[in-house]
Amino acid sequence: DIQMTQSPSSLSPSVGDRVTITCRASQSISMYLNWYQQRPGKAPKPLIYAASSLQSGVPSRFSGSGSGTDFTLTINSLQPEDFATYYCQQSYSSPWTFGQGTKLEIK
Amino acid sequence: QVQLQESGPGLVKPSQTLSLTCTVSGGSISSGGYHWTWIRQHPGKGLEWIGYIYYSGNAYYNPSVKSRVTMSIDTSKNQFSLKLTSVTAADTAVYYCTRVAGAMYGRSRSGFDPWGQGILVTVSS
Repeated sequence: DIQMTQSPSSLSPSVGDRVTITCRASQSISMYLNWYQQRPGKAPKPLIYAASSLQSGVPSRFSGSGSGTDFTLTINSLQPEDFATYYCQQSYSSPWTFGQGTKLEIK
Repeated sequence: QVQLQESGPGLVKPSQTLSLTCTVSGGSISSGGYHWTWIRQHPGKGLEWIGYIYYSGNAYYNPSVKSRVTMSIDTSKNQFSLKLTSVTAADTAVYYCTRVAGAMYGRSRSGFDPWGQGILVTVSS
């Protein structure tokens, strides 16, 4: 199985900050990498697909980059509603796997 | 827009079979191009892909549960289902149904979208 490792596991930024979350795959996955946001008690919400494409309706302050084994999710000008847990997920090789999550907590 | 809704028992006894159904509305499950998917999340933990099924009935499962899982699809009811046998406490989780586009060869450039709200299934006597 391809292991997905996110860093950091948690973060305490302030509103207005720029936040970067990293996701590393245990082997190359080209650009088959997706990002999700999950608020407590809710289903994950898709943010980014194919490493850098924004899902419809997602604010432009979210962006993704990377290819191969190293990927980044960036949130510019963090808003109060962005405090949530973020997951990366590879769709390159079965079984598809997720990172362990990065929790953004209010400072 | 397409919406998904999970249904089924919230409590299952150990060694029994967990059975869940996902009802799709706003679109046809047999329109093609999508794999209908089950994902679970153990309490306070991360996400685990269980498997997916195409409208033709072809299904692909995570090896971690492959010996215990069966997915099926009912195009007449616009539903797909999950059965997990011989459950233990380790199968206690929130189960989500969702879909993914373009996964015909085991890869997809799309993410899982949309998602059902999830259903908590507790395995306990």
